[in-house]
Amino acid sequence: EDKVVQSPLSLVVHEGDTVTLNCSYEVTNFRSLLWYKQEKKAPTFLFMLTSSGIEKKSGRLSSILDKKELFSILNITATQTGDSAIYLCVILNNAGNMLTFGGGTRLMVKP
Amino acid sequence: DGGITQSPKYLFRKEGQNVTLSCEQNLNHDAMYWYRQDPGQGLRLIYYSQIVNDFQKGDIAEGYSVSREKKESFPLTVTSAQKNPTAFYLCASRSGTGAPYEQYFGPGTRLTVT
Repeated sequence: EDKVVQSPLSLVVHEGDTVTLNCSYEVTNFRSLLWYKQEKKAPTFLFMLTSSGIEKKSGRLSSILDKKELFSILNITATQTGDSAIYLCVILNNAGNMLTFGGGTRLMVKP
Repeated sequence: DGGITQSPKYLFRKEGQNVTLSCEQNLNHDAMYWYRQDPGQGLRLIYYSQIVNDFQKGDIAEGYSVSREKKESFPLTVTSAQKNPTAFYLCASRSGTGAPYEQYFGPGTRLTVT
């Protein structure tokens, strides 16, 4: 059974701090690894990573995938209170029609 | 406006009663999904449907049932056989021609069973 494990479970930081969220997976074949941000209700898409070693960046967020070591990290620099959310690591299967979600990391950024 | 609607936002039921959660989309998406979210467990797939009149079990289908009689609607019934039904339920849809990661999520229904 595919497994996606995120750590830490929760994290409290102050504005301006840099955080690294971890995602490890036990999946033999998959198409992509995705990161989502979930604030109050529905998750919103952040990144899709398909190839190892290529960093994706969007503003203060960046992410990278290591297919050899079976993990991905999501970095957030200069955190803001608006970054407070649950961050979900997700595996997209080969067929591209099913998502397997990790348990999420709950990030709280204090002013 | 296109989107996915779920109703109601909050639902309370007594143990032993079946309850149906609504999910409607006007995005003309082919595929629809139901997820359950519990604290610390991310989202787990209950059922999905890739086409009208067809649906498949996900990872935790026991105690749930679905139907897909219309493209825009994918209701989920939580039956009395579901041992721990209290959770947050999210419905999602995806276009058959769109990017595979682009699942659009509804606002969710929080079900409490006492």
